[in-house]
Amino acid sequence: EAQVTQNPRYLITVTGKKLTVTCSQNMNHEYMSWYRQDPGLGLRQIYYSMNVEVTDKGDVPEGYKVSRKEKRNFPLILESPSPNQTSLYFCASSLTESNYGYTFGSGTRLTVV
Amino acid sequence: GNSVTQMEGPVTLSEEAFLTINCTYTATGYPSLFWYVQYPGEGLQLLLKATKADDKGSNKGFEATYRKETTSFHLEKGSVQVSDSAVYFCALRRGFQKLVFGTGTRLLVSP
Repeated sequence: EAQVTQNPRYLITVTGKKLTVTCSQNMNHEYMSWYRQDPGLGLRQIYYSMNVEVTDKGDVPEGYKVSRKEKRNFPLILESPSPNQTSLYFCASSLTESNYGYTFGSGTRLTVV
Repeated sequence: GNSVTQMEGPVTLSEEAFLTINCTYTATGYPSLFWYVQYPGEGLQLLLKATKADDKGSNKGFEATYRKETTSFHLEKGSVQVSDSAVYFCALRRGFQKLVFGTGTRLLVSP
């Protein structure tokens, strides 16, 4: 089944403790992206990657890191999480052509206390 | 830059009512247009899309027509069900650029 798999689904952590949210897709998509979803603010792009070893900042990159060492994986790293990073996170992938929409993962609900 | 404007929600309807959720966009050139749906506790799922002017996307009884003259892509369904209760996002994508989302419209359908 074609899908984007995120882990974990739920995570509660403490301020400053490094964490990684994993994302993997099995559709051979070139394009991958991370979004956060917050009430009243909609979906905001954090980082994206056009292909292996090619990443760039989205609209709200501060406090996050990503890497794209393999085509299928695009982990999101929070080196020192803070409470304002409490949010619902989605990974998405796509072919690069504009006719294609994104395939989304099921989301990771992160709480930083 | 590219942007999408959706009607504010929530939209509250009774079962079998007619649904319209308005979406207008601003973009240079000819973007592809999408509607996504997010059911409670889940990720976003592609509902339908249209890639050029006058195209009609349809799925699960929902329809939307790409209107270049009015820069709109309104979502419609003739008879909503309780199971259609969700948040609906309009979005556009142009070239290799990212998908740009509207803020979402919550639909609540009561029996």
